[in-house]
Amino acid sequence: DIQMTQSPSSLSASVGDRVTITCRASQSISSYLNWYQQKPGKAPKLLIYAASSLQSGVPSRFSGSGSGTDFTLTISSLQPEDFATYYCQQSYSTPEFTFGPGTKVDIK
Amino acid sequence: QVQLVQSGAEVKKPGASVKVSCKASGYTFTSYGISWVRQAPGQGLEWMGWISAYNGNTNYAQKLQGRVTMTTDTSTSTAYMELRSLRSDDTAVYYCARTNPWLAFDYWGQGTLVTVSS
Repeated sequence: DIQMTQSPSSLSASVGDRVTITCRASQSISSYLNWYQQKPGKAPKLLIYAASSLQSGVPSRFSGSGSGTDFTLTISSLQPEDFATYYCQQSYSTPEFTFGPGTKVDIK
Repeated sequence: QVQLVQSGAEVKKPGASVKVSCKASGYTFTSYGISWVRQAPGQGLEWMGWISAYNGNTNYAQKLQGRVTMTTDTSTSTAYMELRSLRSDDTAVYYCARTNPWLAFDYWGQGTLVTVSS
């Protein structure tokens, strides 16, 4: 099975900061990597699919990059509504579409 | 607009079964798969499985094999997830999610809390 790790597990940042979250796969997953945002008590929301494609309606301050085993999610200028937990998910290895453990972004 | 509306919260005893529904609207149901994801209290996201709404093909997470069944009813655009032999560690919010061609989950239901307690 493909294992997903994320770093950091949590971070504190200020509004306007540039934030980068890293996701690593235990083996190559090509570009089959998706990113989600989840706020407390809410369903996750798709931000980025196929490593770097911005989901419709998602602000352009979110971007994704990477391929193979190493991926990043970048928020170019953190906004108040961006404080949330972020998950990566691989969709390369059927039938197990594993999620990373999550990165919590909170207010400094 | 795409919507996935799930059935309401359930309380079950250990050993029982639960069946959660997910009614889709706003798109052609058979053009996308439906995945199920669960989240135990205070924990991360766990993928449970996927079903093709086109032909009913399924893939299940290995740890749930034998206890989970996913089905669809194309006449009502509804997906179902049944989990049997419930244990306390099955207590979680269960989500359905539309699955796009990149196997990303682009629209989600509101979640269904399943509590397993004696």
